[in-house]
Amino acid sequence: KAGVTQTPRYLIKTRGQQVTLSCSPISGHRSVSWYQQTPGQGLQFLFEYFSETQRNKGNFPGRFSGRQFSNSRSEMNVSTLELGDSALYLCASSYRALEGYEQYFGPGTRLTVT
Amino acid sequence: GIQVEQSPPDLILQEGANSTLRCNFSDSVNNLQWFHQNPWGQLINLFYIPSGTKQNGRLSATTVATERYSLLYISSSQTTDSGVYFCAVETQGGSEKLVFGKGTKLTVNP
Repeated sequence: KAGVTQTPRYLIKTRGQQVTLSCSPISGHRSVSWYQQTPGQGLQFLFEYFSETQRNKGNFPGRFSGRQFSNSRSEMNVSTLELGDSALYLCASSYRALEGYEQYFGPGTRLTVT
Repeated sequence: GIQVEQSPPDLILQEGANSTLRCNFSDSVNNLQWFHQNPWGQLINLFYIPSGTKQNGRLSATTVATERYSLLYISSSQTTDSGVYFCAVETQGGSEKLVFGKGTKLTVNP
C-alpha cells in the first residue's frame, strides 16, 4: 500500500504571498491531520479532517486554513505568509485501531518564507 | 493541556551500545506512538503502544498507562539509528490530535 504523499516537497515563498500544500492519505484512511514543525516550537497540531469536515483545530491564526475532498485528499492554505511560517509541514493519515487512532506521516513539505 | 516530556534530550552512544528513552505524560491517553524522524524530516512509525510491551527487532517499547510513562529500548545500536525520537500521545475525548514531546536526539558514533 502506498504511503502518505505530500506535494510539493520544497517551497520558497516571499512574505505576503499565499501557499497551498497538498496531502494524499493512505488508501482507505479517511482522516487527515496537519502538523507544523519548527525548531523553536517543535511539532504542533494544525487541524484534523474526517469525511470532509474539520473536527479539530489547533491554536493557529486564521491565515491557516484547510479542507478535505471527497476522495480524502487534503489541502492546507496559508495566506499572507510571514517569516515565522517557515517550517516543515507534515500531514498524517490515520485509521481506527483497537485503542485510539494509529497515524502515519508523509515526508513533509519544507516551506521557506523570505 | 496534556504535557509530554521526553528524556534525555540528547544521547550520544558508541555503536553496539544499548539505550533507554523515556516519555512521561501528565494525563490519561487513548494512545501513544513512538516515531523516528529521519534526516529528511519524515516521521517513521516505530510503535503504536497504548499499553503493554512490543518488540520489533532491536527495538522494543513498554507503556505503563496507569503510571503515565513509556520507554523505548534500543539494543545493539547502529549508526543508522541516529536521529530524533519522538513520543506522541492521543488525548482522550474523541480527537485524533497527537501531542508530541520535544524529542530525544540520538547520535550513534561508529
